[in-house]
Amino acid sequence: EVQLVESGGGLVQPGGSLRLSCVASGFTFSSYWMSWVRQAPGKGLEWVANMKQDGSEKYYVDSVKGRFTISRDNAKNSLYLQMNSLRAEDTAVYYCARAKAFDIWGQGTMVTVSS
Amino acid sequence: DVVMTQSPLSLPVTLGQPASISCRSSQSLVHSDGNTYLNWFQQRPGQSPRRLIYKVSNRDPGVPDRFSGSGSGTDFTLKISRVEAEDVGVYYCMQGTHWPPLTFGGGTKVEIK
Repeated sequence: EVQLVESGGGLVQPGGSLRLSCVASGFTFSSYWMSWVRQAPGKGLEWVANMKQDGSEKYYVDSVKGRFTISRDNAKNSLYLQMNSLRAEDTAVYYCARAKAFDIWGQGTMVTVSS
Repeated sequence: DVVMTQSPLSLPVTLGQPASISCRSSQSLVHSDGNTYLNWFQQRPGQSPRRLIYKVSNRDPGVPDRFSGSGSGTDFTLKISRVEAEDVGVYYCMQGTHWPPLTFGGGTKVEIK
């Protein structure tokens, strides 16, 4: 079964850090761009970051540049999002998705930034 | 950045009746490779998004044929020929032609009257 499973969310104070993980199964992970997309409570979808198959290209939405880092380990079929200097406005469900098609999505992991 | 504008925000529909959602982009979504990278997603309550339509009008496997996508350039439409109870949720368009950033429409909430 083709699947993406995220983990690593939780409650963190403003200014803190968190690392999200996404494990892929059922397809050749190393052949695909991968993406993070987030959804604030009661709001719409917002693309966060994309990463090429070999890690040679990474792109971010302006609001997270310099604070978030996308990475991957193809040997572990895993995608990561290192989130530093977290702000209240980063509170959201974070989804990983198979890019560029966005045909496969995980179940999401909730990140809450609050004191 | 390409702005995606959806309308309406909310769409109350009677079961068995058709529904139509509009998505407009701030610039043409025709890519230099000739493709138009416009997707439609469905997000049912409490669930992750699910892709329904890719490249304007191509239905994903398992998507009922009552869903159809059309349009070109900057104007796109998602139609549901006969709304069923399981179609309740929020629908999003997304452009993948001019990125970064990839951009989504604001969403259209489909509910049963």
